Amino acid sequence: GAVVSQHPSRVICKSGTSVKIECRSLDFQATTMFWYRQFPKQSLMLMATSNEGSKATYEQGVEKDKFLINHASLTLSTLTVTSAHPEDSSFYICSARDPTTGGNTIYFGEGSWLTVV
Amino acid sequence: AQTVTQSQPEMSVQEAETVTLSCTYDTSESNYYLFWYKQPPSRQMILVIRQEAYKQQNATENRFSVNFQKAAKSFSLKISDSQLGDTAMYFCAFGSQGNLIFGKGTKLSVKP
Repeated sequence: GAVVSQHPSRVICKSGTSVKIECRSLDFQATTMFWYRQFPKQSLMLMATSNEGSKATYEQGVEKDKFLINHASLTLSTLTVTSAHPEDSSFYICSARDPTTGGNTIYFGEGSWLTVV
Repeated sequence: AQTVTQSQPEMSVQEAETVTLSCTYDTSESNYYLFWYKQPPSRQMILVIRQEAYKQQNATENRFSVNFQKAAKSFSLKISDSQLGDTAMYFCAFGSQGNLIFGKGTKLSVKP
């Protein structure tokens, strides 16, 4: 079964609204999770590193006020796309690092399709 | 800057044959991990194989093996006895703390 679960798998929202995507680690406590974005027919681009109990670390060029990341517990990180615009439409995928296996066993969620209309 | 380069946007192979996907990377780190991920149309990222940079022995997982050349910063994936289910996008990735840098991917088609 899934080790990292992402929800929702698909979401459609109106321009100007906010939408939240959840990433949960099911079998382990993840102090660190990662958020990626994937445009059609392109690679995964790391957006930010989500750290439990502290602020996320954003990659260069990623607007932290637009893509809010919260990691309030050891099993849940959320990505909120604020004031969404059609250009935010994309596939968003999270991953979590299992610290019990040396820290380099990484599990990916199933991904979330966001369509902004 | 750390980069991962996959020079083959698309490849095809006949069923049961062998195919090699290329990957090169650039980093100044000495301790890191390299990965090959498979992404089928469902978009689920599936780990194919992982290599620890400090290990000289090439990783193998059943039909999948790598040729890791640390000095050349090369990390190619060999798929033996290709199966129709191997058809997918394959991404090479590099990382040391879980935050991975991905190549642009190679679309592999296995033909019957």
